[in-house]
Amino acid sequence: DADVTQTPRNRITKTGKRIMLECSQTKGHDRMYWYRQDPGLGLQLIYYSFDVKDINKGEISDGYSVSRQAQAKFSLSLESAIPNQTALYFCATSDPRQGITDTQYFGPGTRLTVL
Amino acid sequence: EDQVTQSPEALRLQEGESSSLNCSYTVSGLRGLFWYRQDPGKGPEFLFTLYSAGEEKEKERLKATLTKKESFLHITAPKPEDSATYLCAVQETSGSRLTFGEGTQLTVNP
Repeated sequence: DADVTQTPRNRITKTGKRIMLECSQTKGHDRMYWYRQDPGLGLQLIYYSFDVKDINKGEISDGYSVSRQAQAKFSLSLESAIPNQTALYFCATSDPRQGITDTQYFGPGTRLTVL
Repeated sequence: EDQVTQSPEALRLQEGESSSLNCSYTVSGLRGLFWYRQDPGKGPEFLFTLYSAGEEKEKERLKATLTKKESFLHITAPKPEDSATYLCAVQETSGSRLTFGEGTQLTVNP
């Protein structure tokens, strides 16, 4: 089984709809992240969480919200989806205790299309 | 502000034709430089972390090197299965956030 799973893997929705993307991990990591990836652009950080009670905005948090329901679960919500939120969304996890750096491990992604 | 620039944007090689990908970076203090491989429609897969100038790491046909301003990913005698987008990212000493480059799309033809 994959260490980091994301659901759904693909989603098509309409402008104005509320959407939730979910991420679960079995790696036992405290830190979790949400990124979006657009064609030709690097990964951009939306939100990150260092533990259940600690949530921080990333570079592009406008239009998004998150919920850390448990150590292993981190959800991303689009309150009112708009077409320019069409992108690939990735969840990642890390554990800074495992080395000098804080290596992030990524899930398989969710392809979101907003019509 | 941290910056990462990767070149070339795309690279097409024949099987067995060795080459290098470049990652230039600007960061106030480097905690680590990361290389990831990403296949189409999939999540980035961790390859290497480099910590200090002069360091090298190898994995099969890939070797990553690091200087104070850039990193190279050398691909020796590539095979078609090495075709992917290779992403570079830096992490500052002060935190865990990663700043990614836009990637190099590598295609290896048989």
